[in-house]
Amino acid sequence: EAGVTQSPRYAVLQEGQAVSFWCDPISGHDTLYWYQQPRDQGPQLLVYFRDEAVIDNSQLPSDRFSAVRPKGTNSTLKIQSAKQGDTATYLCASSRRLGQNTLYFGAGTRLSVL
Amino acid sequence: GQQVQQSPASLVLQEGENAELQCNFSTSLNSMQWFYQRPGGSLVSLFYNPSGTKHSGRLTSTTVIKERRSSLHISSSQTTDSGTYLCALNNNAGAKLTFGGGTRLTVRP
Repeated sequence: EAGVTQSPRYAVLQEGQAVSFWCDPISGHDTLYWYQQPRDQGPQLLVYFRDEAVIDNSQLPSDRFSAVRPKGTNSTLKIQSAKQGDTATYLCASSRRLGQNTLYFGAGTRLSVL
Repeated sequence: GQQVQQSPASLVLQEGENAELQCNFSTSLNSMQWFYQRPGGSLVSLFYNPSGTKHSGRLTSTTVIKERRSSLHISSSQTTDSGTYLCALNNNAGAKLTFGGGTRLTVRP
């Protein structure tokens, strides 16, 4: 089966610009996660979905970040007015069922905000 | 404080040497996983190990719940083992994984 696909692979922005990241999970996986991984740190959960519903977005900076999964398949993470502190790799992962702990990760989008 | 702490933060080995990576957690545990991440690459699951010892080739994972720790042992290291090793736990608070900061391993020829 195809893995988790993310695009773009890289993005370079000036502060204040907006950017969107796209994720296509493994077909049939109902749970989708977005993680932020700053350089030399472990991934930190931003938000996760079961189908189209947000399960937990408590760690998502709501003033500038938004995430949607309108049909319960692909997902988009958007940053409005990026800041230098947003520089990180953004990882998408999926799992077959909510609560199943085997996560499959995409290659990530590496964001640099200048 | 941090729920999951990994040590050492970085490690350099000569090819053929063994490595012991540690993961300590401060919260209750439902499951523990170990992942491998090559520089610029995605995470690959190595072990799903909520308790006890599991083996996979040259890798061994041991989780001791009452001591709140998990370890990853790499025997006879190879240069291709270089990368970052991450542990992650699920603490019964839903389906999310909480990651440690990782151990960056470099194996020199």
